[in-house]
Amino acid sequence: AQSVAQPEDQVNVAEGNPLTVKCTYSVSGNPYLFWYVQYPNRGLQFLLKYITGDNLVKGSYGFEAEFNKSQTSFHLKKPSALVSDSALYFCAVRLEGHGSSNTGKLIFGQGTTLQVKP
Amino acid sequence: NAGVTQTPKFQVLKTGQSMTLQCAQDMNHEYMSWYRQDPGMGLRLIHYSVGAGITDQGEVPNGYNVSRSTTEDFPLRLLSAAPSQTSVYFCASYRDINYGYTFGSGTRLTVV
Repeated sequence: AQSVAQPEDQVNVAEGNPLTVKCTYSVSGNPYLFWYVQYPNRGLQFLLKYITGDNLVKGSYGFEAEFNKSQTSFHLKKPSALVSDSALYFCAVRLEGHGSSNTGKLIFGQGTTLQVKP
Repeated sequence: NAGVTQTPKFQVLKTGQSMTLQCAQDMNHEYMSWYRQDPGMGLRLIHYSVGAGITDQGEVPNGYNVSRSTTEDFPLRLLSAAPSQTSVYFCASYRDINYGYTFGSGTRLTVV
């Protein structure tokens, strides 16, 4: 079965330290991978995506993610965390649908809460 | 502003009542979808549509109906609300892989 896993419910880091939020996936074919962020009582905001090409993808707010095909991972990283980065982060993978190449079904991990302390 | 608009933002229903959650987008996206968000479970796909007149089931379709009569609108209907449907519902639309997905701000539904 195709799936996305975020092994950590919560990640705690001190402001100024580097952060990593982990994501692993299991899909058939080439994965299209995404990271989204959700602030309290808000919708999801797009951070970055990997489709093809360079394994290191840069996104919004200084975030980046590294695609590792052999480890089937797509970890989210930031060199220096800010208190304002505290939020809920979701990793997601786009699935190819049956009968169409563009059905665009997106499957999410369970989310990781990032707490950045001053 | 271009984007995905969901109404209402909050709703309380009694068990057995029906209602429709509205979703509209003005970006001419063909693909639209509905998700529910529950603590510790991430977002789960309820129904999706690849264009006007075409809908299909996602992971958790039971108790929900959808239709897609226009490109812009994709309403989600709860036929007979149950407490298990208490959740936050998100609508999303998608153009193609190069542009990603756009999410609405959500509808928080409580069924008592």
